[in-house]
Amino acid sequence: EAGVVQSPRYKIIEKKQPVAFWCNPISGHNTLYWYRQNLGQGPELLIRYENEEAVDDSQLPKDRFSAERLKGVDSTLKIQPAELGDSAVYLCASSLEETQYFGPGTRLLVL
Amino acid sequence: SQKIEQNSEALNIQEGKTATLTCNYTNYSPAYLQWYRQDPGRGPVFLLLIRENEKEKRKERLKVTFDTTLKQSLFHITASQPADSATYLCALDVGYGNKLVFGAGTILRVKS
Repeated sequence: EAGVVQSPRYKIIEKKQPVAFWCNPISGHNTLYWYRQNLGQGPELLIRYENEEAVDDSQLPKDRFSAERLKGVDSTLKIQPAELGDSAVYLCASSLEETQYFGPGTRLLVL
Repeated sequence: SQKIEQNSEALNIQEGKTATLTCNYTNYSPAYLQWYRQDPGRGPVFLLLIRENEKEKRKERLKVTFDTTLKQSLFHITASQPADSATYLCALDVGYGNKLVFGAGTILRVKS
Protein backbone atom coordinates (compact mmCIF):
# COMPACT_ATOMS: atom_id res chain seq x y z
CA GLU A 1 0.00 0.00 0.00
CA ALA A 2 1.38 3.39 -0.97
CA GLY A 3 2.05 5.84 1.82
CA VAL A 4 1.32 9.54 1.98
CA VAL A 5 2.86 11.28 -1.00
CA GLN A 6 4.06 14.88 -0.90
CA SER A 7 5.63 17.13 -3.48
CA PRO A 8 7.89 18.86 -3.93
CA ARG A 9 10.40 17.48 -1.43
CA TYR A 10 12.42 20.69 -1.38
CA LYS A 11 11.62 24.27 -2.31
CA ILE A 12 13.75 27.41 -2.18
CA ILE A 13 12.06 30.73 -2.84
CA GLU A 14 12.63 34.43 -2.32
CA LYS A 15 10.56 36.15 0.35
CA LYS A 16 7.26 37.61 -0.85
CA GLN A 17 6.96 34.87 -3.49
CA PRO A 18 4.08 32.36 -3.44
CA VAL A 19 4.60 28.65 -2.86
CA ALA A 20 2.32 25.61 -2.91
CA PHE A 21 2.63 22.13 -1.47
CA TRP A 22 0.69 19.08 -2.61
CA CYS A 23 -0.36 16.00 -0.65
CA ASN A 24 -1.94 12.71 -1.70
CA PRO A 25 -3.11 10.78 1.40
CA ILE A 26 -3.41 7.04 1.86
CA SER A 27 -6.39 5.73 -0.06
CA GLY A 28 -9.51 5.57 2.09
CA HIS A 29 -8.23 7.89 4.80
CA ASN A 30 -10.90 10.49 5.46
CA THR A 31 -8.84 12.70 7.75
CA LEU A 32 -5.98 14.78 6.39
CA TYR A 33 -3.64 17.02 8.37
CA TRP A 34 -1.10 19.68 7.50
CA TYR A 35 1.65 20.31 10.05
CA ARG A 36 4.62 22.65 10.20
CA GLN A 37 7.79 21.46 11.88
CA ASN A 38 10.57 23.86 12.83
CA LEU A 39 14.07 22.61 13.51
CA GLY A 40 14.31 20.89 16.87
CA GLN A 41 10.57 21.05 17.46
CA GLY A 42 7.65 18.68 17.08
CA PRO A 43 5.05 19.04 14.35
CA GLU A 44 2.45 21.78 14.91
CA LEU A 45 -0.99 21.37 13.40
CA LEU A 46 -1.98 23.96 10.81
CA ILE A 47 -5.24 22.52 9.52
CA ARG A 48 -7.25 19.30 9.70
CA TYR A 49 -9.78 18.05 7.15
CA GLU A 50 -12.55 15.52 7.54
CA ASN A 51 -13.27 14.61 3.93
CA GLU A 52 -13.64 18.00 2.20
CA GLU A 53 -14.42 20.01 5.32
CA ALA A 54 -11.77 21.93 7.24
CA VAL A 55 -12.76 21.06 10.82
CA ASP A 56 -9.84 22.71 12.59
CA ASP A 57 -7.93 25.63 11.08
CA SER A 58 -7.47 27.59 14.28
CA GLN A 59 -3.67 27.61 13.94
CA LEU A 60 -3.54 28.45 10.25
CA PRO A 61 -2.23 32.02 9.67
CA LYS A 62 -5.10 32.94 7.40
CA ASP A 63 -3.63 36.22 6.21
CA ARG A 64 -1.09 34.36 4.12
CA PHE A 65 -1.87 30.65 4.27
CA SER A 66 -4.68 28.86 2.49
CA ALA A 67 -5.53 25.22 1.95
CA GLU A 68 -8.01 23.16 0.03
CA ARG A 69 -8.98 19.53 -0.27
CA LEU A 70 -10.91 19.00 -3.44
CA LYS A 71 -13.14 15.92 -3.66
CA GLY A 72 -11.95 14.86 -0.23
CA VAL A 73 -8.72 13.31 -1.51
CA ASP A 74 -5.67 15.37 -2.51
CA SER A 75 -4.87 18.59 -0.72
CA THR A 76 -2.87 21.73 -1.45
CA LEU A 77 -1.37 24.14 1.07
CA LYS A 78 -0.41 27.58 -0.20
CA ILE A 79 1.59 30.45 1.25
CA GLN A 80 1.32 33.88 -0.35
CA PRO A 81 3.43 35.86 0.22
CA ALA A 82 6.13 33.82 1.95
CA GLU A 83 8.14 35.32 4.79
CA LEU A 84 11.56 34.38 6.13
CA GLY A 85 9.93 32.84 9.21
CA ASP A 86 8.01 30.37 7.06
CA SER A 87 11.17 28.34 6.50
CA ALA A 88 10.33 24.93 7.95
CA VAL A 89 9.30 21.41 6.99
CA TYR A 90 5.64 21.07 6.00
CA LEU A 91 4.25 17.65 6.76
CA CYS A 92 1.06 16.09 5.52
CA ALA A 93 -0.54 13.19 7.38
CA SER A 94 -3.67 11.12 7.00
CA SER A 95 -5.61 8.80 9.28
CA LEU A 96 -8.54 6.46 9.41
CA GLU A 97 -8.68 6.23 13.22
CA GLU A 98 -6.24 7.48 15.86
CA THR A 99 -2.95 6.58 14.18
CA GLN A 100 -1.57 9.23 11.84
CA TYR A 101 0.54 8.33 8.82
CA PHE A 102 2.96 11.02 7.72
CA GLY A 103 4.45 11.85 4.38
CA PRO A 104 8.16 12.70 3.99
CA GLY A 105 7.49 16.44 4.15
CA THR A 106 8.44 19.43 2.03
CA ARG A 107 11.45 21.36 3.22
CA LEU A 108 10.92 25.06 2.51
CA LEU A 109 13.67 27.62 2.60
CA VAL A 110 12.70 31.28 2.20
CA LEU A 111 15.59 33.59 1.33
CA SER B 1 -0.52 27.00 30.40
CA GLN B 2 -0.53 23.71 28.53
CA LYS B 3 2.84 22.12 28.07
CA ILE B 4 4.46 18.88 26.89
CA GLU B 5 8.04 18.25 27.94
CA GLN B 6 10.43 15.63 26.69
CA ASN B 7 14.09 15.14 27.65
CA SER B 8 15.61 18.27 26.17
CA GLU B 9 19.08 16.80 25.88
CA ALA B 10 20.02 13.91 23.66
CA LEU B 11 20.16 10.49 25.28
CA ASN B 12 23.36 8.58 24.58
CA ILE B 13 23.44 4.91 25.54
CA GLN B 14 25.46 1.80 24.83
CA GLU B 15 24.18 -0.93 22.56
CA GLY B 16 22.32 -3.61 24.49
CA LYS B 17 21.18 -1.31 27.26
CA THR B 18 17.63 -0.13 27.89
CA ALA B 19 16.77 3.38 26.76
CA THR B 20 14.13 5.23 28.76
CA LEU B 21 12.55 8.39 27.38
CA THR B 22 10.22 10.65 29.35
CA CYS B 23 7.17 12.64 28.35
CA ASN B 24 5.61 14.95 30.95
CA TYR B 25 2.59 17.12 30.40
CA THR B 26 0.62 19.77 32.25
CA ASN B 27 -2.94 21.04 31.91
CA TYR B 28 -3.99 18.31 29.51
CA SER B 29 -6.33 15.38 30.09
CA PRO B 30 -5.57 13.13 27.14
CA ALA B 31 -7.72 10.11 26.38
CA TYR B 32 -4.64 8.54 24.82
CA LEU B 33 -1.00 9.20 24.11
CA GLN B 34 1.11 8.11 21.14
CA TRP B 35 4.81 7.69 20.48
CA TYR B 36 6.37 8.29 17.08
CA ARG B 37 9.84 7.81 15.67
CA GLN B 38 11.38 10.33 13.28
CA ASP B 39 14.54 9.83 11.26
CA PRO B 40 16.38 12.79 9.68
CA GLY B 41 14.66 14.03 6.53
CA ARG B 42 11.60 11.83 7.06
CA GLY B 43 8.14 12.15 8.53
CA PRO B 44 7.25 10.68 11.93
CA VAL B 45 6.34 6.98 12.04
CA PHE B 46 3.78 5.65 14.53
CA LEU B 47 5.09 3.23 17.16
CA LEU B 48 2.60 2.77 20.00
CA LEU B 49 -0.67 4.12 21.38
CA ILE B 50 -1.67 3.84 25.04
CA ARG B 51 -5.07 4.83 26.41
CA GLU B 52 -5.81 6.55 29.71
CA ASN B 53 -7.19 3.35 31.25
CA GLU B 54 -4.08 1.34 30.31
CA LYS B 55 -1.01 1.29 32.52
CA GLU B 56 1.39 -0.38 30.14
CA LYS B 57 1.65 -1.44 26.49
CA ARG B 58 4.30 -3.59 24.81
CA LYS B 59 5.36 -4.24 21.24
CA GLU B 60 8.45 -6.36 20.64
CA ARG B 61 11.34 -4.48 22.32
CA LEU B 62 9.20 -1.41 23.04
CA LYS B 63 7.26 -0.67 26.21
CA VAL B 64 5.17 2.38 27.08
CA THR B 65 3.70 3.31 30.45
CA PHE B 66 1.10 5.97 31.13
CA ASP B 67 0.50 7.48 34.57
CA THR B 68 -2.39 9.94 34.42
CA THR B 69 -1.85 10.92 38.06
CA LEU B 70 1.77 11.90 37.51
CA LYS B 71 0.87 13.14 34.01
CA GLN B 72 3.77 11.20 32.60
CA SER B 73 4.54 8.58 29.99
CA LEU B 74 7.75 6.56 29.85
CA PHE B 75 8.97 4.93 26.65
CA HIS B 76 11.44 2.06 26.94
CA ILE B 77 13.52 0.34 24.28
CA THR B 78 15.14 -2.82 25.59
CA ALA B 79 18.29 -4.36 24.09
CA SER B 80 18.85 -1.15 22.15
CA GLN B 81 20.63 -1.24 18.80
CA PRO B 82 22.38 1.46 16.74
CA ALA B 83 19.43 1.25 14.33
CA ASP B 84 17.22 2.59 17.14
CA SER B 85 19.03 5.94 16.91
CA ALA B 86 16.42 8.54 15.97
CA THR B 87 14.23 11.27 17.44
CA TYR B 88 11.27 10.02 19.45
CA LEU B 89 8.17 12.18 19.73
CA CYS B 90 5.33 11.85 22.18
CA ALA B 91 1.93 13.14 21.13
CA LEU B 92 -1.14 13.76 23.26
CA ASP B 93 -4.73 13.53 22.20
CA VAL B 94 -6.41 16.82 23.04
CA GLY B 95 -9.90 15.80 21.99
CA TYR B 96 -11.73 17.34 19.06
CA GLY B 97 -11.46 14.10 17.14
CA ASN B 98 -7.90 12.81 16.75
CA LYS B 99 -6.18 16.14 17.31
CA LEU B 100 -2.64 15.56 18.54
CA VAL B 101 -0.21 17.93 20.21
CA PHE B 102 3.42 16.87 19.87
CA GLY B 103 6.35 17.30 22.19
CA ALA B 104 9.66 18.57 20.85
CA GLY B 105 11.13 15.07 20.81
CA THR B 106 14.17 13.40 22.32
CA ILE B 107 17.20 12.44 20.25
CA LEU B 108 18.39 8.93 21.06
CA ARG B 109 21.88 7.81 20.05
CA VAL B 110 22.83 4.19 20.54
CA LYS B 111 26.54 3.50 20.29
CA SER B 112 28.06 0.14 19.42
